[in-house]
Amino acid sequence: GQNIDQPTEMTATEGAIVQINCTYQTSGFNGLFWYQQHAGEAPTFLSYNVLDGLEEKGRFSSFLSRSKGYSYLLLKELQMKDSASYLCAPRETGANNLFFGTGTRLTVIP
Amino acid sequence: EAQVTQNPRYLITVTGKKLTVTCSQNMNHEYMSWYRQDPGLGLRQIYYSMNVEVTDKGDVPEGYKVSRKEKRNFPLILESPSPNQTSLYFCASRSGTEAFFGQGTRLTVV
Repeated sequence: GQNIDQPTEMTATEGAIVQINCTYQTSGFNGLFWYQQHAGEAPTFLSYNVLDGLEEKGRFSSFLSRSKGYSYLLLKELQMKDSASYLCAPRETGANNLFFGTGTRLTVIP
Repeated sequence: EAQVTQNPRYLITVTGKKLTVTCSQNMNHEYMSWYRQDPGLGLRQIYYSMNVEVTDKGDVPEGYKVSRKEKRNFPLILESPSPNQTSLYFCASRSGTEAFFGQGTRLTVV
C-alpha cells in the first residue's frame, strides 16, 4: 500500500516561486507523477520522475529523492492561472496503478 | 490528437436505475482505469484494466462493474446506483510514463 502526504493548501503571490512538497511510503518504487487539476476539470500531466534529481520543464520543475521518499514541485514566476490543485502520485514497483494524494490546493494572489 | 473521451459529462439519475458511463481512448494504450473524486478524499481508483478482457478491482469497487471487450473502450456500469455514488468520475488511459484523463462525468444520484 501507499501513504502519501502533501500540504492541504498553500497561498503564494503572483510572480513569486512556490515549492509543493510530497512525502510518500510505498512497497517498492517505480516513479512519481505530478498532475495539475483545476476545479471541476480533469488532471493534466506535469512531470514524471524515476531517478533522483531535478527535472526542469519551463516554469515547472520536479525533484525526487528516492532514499528519503520525498519529492517536490517547484513553480516559478507564478501566474494567476496556476491557481489549482497539484497532485502527487507515486507508483509502486510492478504495479500499474497510480495512487493519488489528496493534493495541494494552491491559490495565487495578486 | 491524443484523447480520452467520456460520456456523458453530466448526469442526474434516480436510485436504482442502471446507467453506463462510456470511456474511449485513441492512443492504443493497454492500461485504462476509472477513478472517483470526492471532496477531501482525492482521486480513488474504482477499477482498472491491463488489457482486453483483463480487469481488476481498485480501492473502491463496490457498486460498480466494468468491461473491456476492446482495447479502446472501458465503460463503467452502475447496476443499481445509490446516492453515495454521487461523485465526479474520471477515466484514465496510460502508457509507461504518462496518463491521460477524460474530461470527467459529474454524476448525481437522487
